[in-house]
Amino acid sequence: AQSVTQLGSHVSVSEGALVLLRCNYSSSVPPYLFWYVQYPNQGLQLLLKYTTGATLVKGINGFEAEFKKSETSFHLTKPSAHMSDAAEYFCAVSDGNRDDKIIFGKGTRLHILP
Amino acid sequence: SAVISQKPSRDICQRGTSLTIQCQVDSQVTMMFWYRQQPGQSLTLIATANQGSEATYESGFVIDKFPISRPNLTFSTLTVSNMSPEDSSIYLCSVLSNSGPQYFGPGTRLLVL
Repeated sequence: AQSVTQLGSHVSVSEGALVLLRCNYSSSVPPYLFWYVQYPNQGLQLLLKYTTGATLVKGINGFEAEFKKSETSFHLTKPSAHMSDAAEYFCAVSDGNRDDKIIFGKGTRLHILP
Repeated sequence: SAVISQKPSRDICQRGTSLTIQCQVDSQVTMMFWYRQQPGQSLTLIATANQGSEATYESGFVIDKFPISRPNLTFSTLTVSNMSPEDSSIYLCSVLSNSGPQYFGPGTRLLVL
């Protein structure tokens, strides 16, 4: 069975600093991996998705994530944080090469310090 | 991308009552899902809404508590039955078309007193 672990339920970074949100997964099959963002009082929005091919995936709003099979990781990064990046971020893995059964991590709330 | 709307956006309900949440998408989609996000928690899949047949429920969720309908390819409802305070959550609809990925609705915030 697939599972996702997000390290740190809360992460604070200064505006302009590097954002790094950690995600590790377990999967018995090559996974599909996702990062979703949830802004306050809104639904989830897909940031980026890895299926196959290039391991560095670029998403919206300047975010990117790198799939590292050897480390079973899919960490999310952004070179320079902006105040508007404050939100909850969810890492997710699909149930075996599929887009339908998605298993979510517990989420990381990103705080941006002025 | 699909545009998804949910009604109501939020509600406050009394214990023992039921609430039906509607999910409408602006295009025909292959699959529709219902998730629950309890306070401070991640999303948990409740069920897959199947068009014209009974929904497929995940472990821990049953039809009597969460009846689901999907009469066509663009609409689904989730009912939270005989509610208790433990049902206070955000309920989200999501959709998946042939080209993927999953898109999520804005959610319905439910508070049960």
